[in-house]
Amino acid sequence: NAGVMQNPRHLVRRRGQEARLRCSPMKGHSHVYWYRQLPEEGLKFMVYLQKENIIDESGMPKERFSAEFPKEGPSILRIQQVVRGDSAAYFCASSQGGGSNTEAFFGQGTRLTVV
Amino acid sequence: DQQVKQNSPSLSVQEGRISILNCDYTNSMFDYFLWYKKYPAEGPTFLISISSIKDKNEDGRFTVFLNKSAKHLSLHIVPSQPGDSAVYFCAASDRGRDDKIIFGKGTRLHILP
Repeated sequence: NAGVMQNPRHLVRRRGQEARLRCSPMKGHSHVYWYRQLPEEGLKFMVYLQKENIIDESGMPKERFSAEFPKEGPSILRIQQVVRGDSAAYFCASSQGGGSNTEAFFGQGTRLTVV
Repeated sequence: DQQVKQNSPSLSVQEGRISILNCDYTNSMFDYFLWYKKYPAEGPTFLISISSIKDKNEDGRFTVFLNKSAKHLSLHIVPSQPGDSAVYFCAASDRGRDDKIIFGKGTRLHILP
């Protein structure tokens, strides 16, 4: 049973380019979370999605950032026109959700570097 | 507004002794609490959780205590081992509302030889 898979592990983008981060949840999990970790800081909530629905995007910057979790395929976190301040580790987690007691499992993260 | 607070950025403990990591929360609607451990360049891994209907949960060397009236929880690791050196994140969820999990900023634990 594969865990949460994130790719790529490392991504380098020039300022102004687009970054696309992918997350495949664990089998049977329909809830996906994205978090950002800046250097020397904790995990900051960005967005919480269920299949085809955004449940809570209160942590997402209003511009340039978007997320989706389509019926088929991985969840995508998309950052348009990246700036140096977007450089961070982006972690995806998945859970069964539905008010169960199951915890969220994390992927290894994607480390984005904007040059 | 930080709903989950870990006020100690770092903690050093002698190997073999007890490590106590603390966490405070502000949202009284939180009903599920979790602890995660994170090594550098890796994703957080789940350690232990507790529902608000309990005040203690134990799993091997790890015990989580919940004090609802004080809105405080703690993670006890005993005995502490070198491999326990990592960053520990406290997290909380209001499952009656949704399953969003809110994390604290983490505490870096150093186990000293």
